[in-house]
Amino acid sequence: KNEVEQSPQNLTAQEGEFITINCSYSVGISALHWLQQHPGGGIVSLFMLSSGKKKHGRLIATINIQEKHSSLHITASHPRDSAVYICAFQNTGNQFYFGTGTSLTVIP
Amino acid sequence: NAGVMQNPRHLVRRRGQEARLRCSPMKGHSHVYWYRQLPEEGLKFMVYLQKENIIDESGMPKERFSAEFPKEGPSILRIQQVVRGDSAAYFCASSPYQHTEAFFGQGTRLTVV
Repeated sequence: KNEVEQSPQNLTAQEGEFITINCSYSVGISALHWLQQHPGGGIVSLFMLSSGKKKHGRLIATINIQEKHSSLHITASHPRDSAVYICAFQNTGNQFYFGTGTSLTVIP
Repeated sequence: NAGVMQNPRHLVRRRGQEARLRCSPMKGHSHVYWYRQLPEEGLKFMVYLQKENIIDESGMPKERFSAEFPKEGPSILRIQQVVRGDSAAYFCASSPYQHTEAFFGQGTRLTVV
C-alpha cells in the first residue's frame, strides 16, 4: 500500500469549473507538498503546508492533520491549469513520499 | 535569484557508459534532494545531501549509483555502467534548511540506448 493516496487519477473539467484533488496519507508527517508537473516539463512546487490552509491566486491548499488528509482546490479553472498535480509528504526524517499524481485536463 | 539548475536537460548514453547529472541548488540552499521518475511511474526519493555529507541514501540503488555535494560546485548524481532500466527523468530539489519548502529543477531526461 502506498503511503500516499491521491484521487482522482484523471480529471477532465470545463473551463471555469471548481476543481478539487484529494490526498490521504498514512503516517506522521512534518510537511505536505503540492507539486505541479507540466507535460515534458519540470516540477513546480505549489505549496508546502503543515497545518491549516494556504492560498495563492486561484489555488487553495488545505490540510487536516487529524484526518491525515489534504486537498488542492483550483477556482475558475483555465486550460493552462492542465498538468499533473502531485501530492507529496515529508516525514520527520526529511524523506519525501509521492502520490502517483492526478492528471488534470481543462477544456476550453 | 536563479532557480534550481539541472544539466544537461537531455542525456543519451549507450549501455555500459557513465552518466553524470548535475544540480546547482538555489543560492543559499545547502540541502539537495534527488528523485527519479521512471516512465509511467511516480517520483521516487533517491538521496538527500547536505554540503559534503550524504544524509539519507535509502532510495539509491546499492550498485552503480552515487551522489555527492561538494563544498564548492554542483551536486552530482553519477550512474556507472548504465543499463536500459536507468532511462528516466531525474529531478533534484533544494531547500535552505531541513523541513522547509524545496524547489525543483527542470530535470534531466536520461535515455540509455
